[in-house]
Amino acid sequence: DAGVIQSPRHEVTEMGQEVTLRCKPISGHDYLFWYRQTMMRGLELLIYFNNNVPIDDSGMPEDRFSAKMPNASFSTLKIQPSEPRDSAVYFCASSHSSIEGNDGYTFGSGTRLTVV
Amino acid sequence: KNQVEQSPQSLIILEGKNCTLQCNYTVSPFSNLRWYKQDTGRGPVSLTIMTFSENTKSNGRYTATLDADTKQSSLHITASQLSDSASYICVVSLGSYKLIFGSGTRLLVRP
Repeated sequence: DAGVIQSPRHEVTEMGQEVTLRCKPISGHDYLFWYRQTMMRGLELLIYFNNNVPIDDSGMPEDRFSAKMPNASFSTLKIQPSEPRDSAVYFCASSHSSIEGNDGYTFGSGTRLTVV
Repeated sequence: KNQVEQSPQSLIILEGKNCTLQCNYTVSPFSNLRWYKQDTGRGPVSLTIMTFSENTKSNGRYTATLDADTKQSSLHITASQLSDSASYICVVSLGSYKLIFGSGTRLLVRP
């Protein structure tokens, strides 16, 4: 099992450019989560999907952020246009059931995004 | 306001020594409490998960305790190793998908 796979590992882009982050969850997991981690705010949930359907996107900071999950094995987080304050590490995580009592909540290695 | 506070913010210990990390929370409703280890440049990895009825749980050299009355948890690391150098994050679940993350304790184990 390769775990949750994220790409790219690092992304440096200029302000105003579009950025797309990718995630492949663990096969069989039906929940997928996107998190953002910064020094100031720690880990924050942006959005999560259940069976490819977005359930709650209340953590998405603004309309510049969008996420899709076209199938059970792939999800994207897009920022358009990007701004310097979007610089952070973005994590994808997946789980095979609801979180309650379940320790099968696996994070990817993250994408470090730098917007200059 | 739902909050998870961890202390200390950072800690340096010598290899072989024990240490204890603290977590206080003001989260309601409470479903479970987790401790995660995050190595530099990696995603968090779960160490333990406890429901409100559990007082202690161990995972190798890691032992977590929970006092649901005082809303406190601790993570004790025994006989520390250099590989224990990481950030340790306390996470409290409100239920369903909602997790409240602490800001973490950065542990450095020196030889």
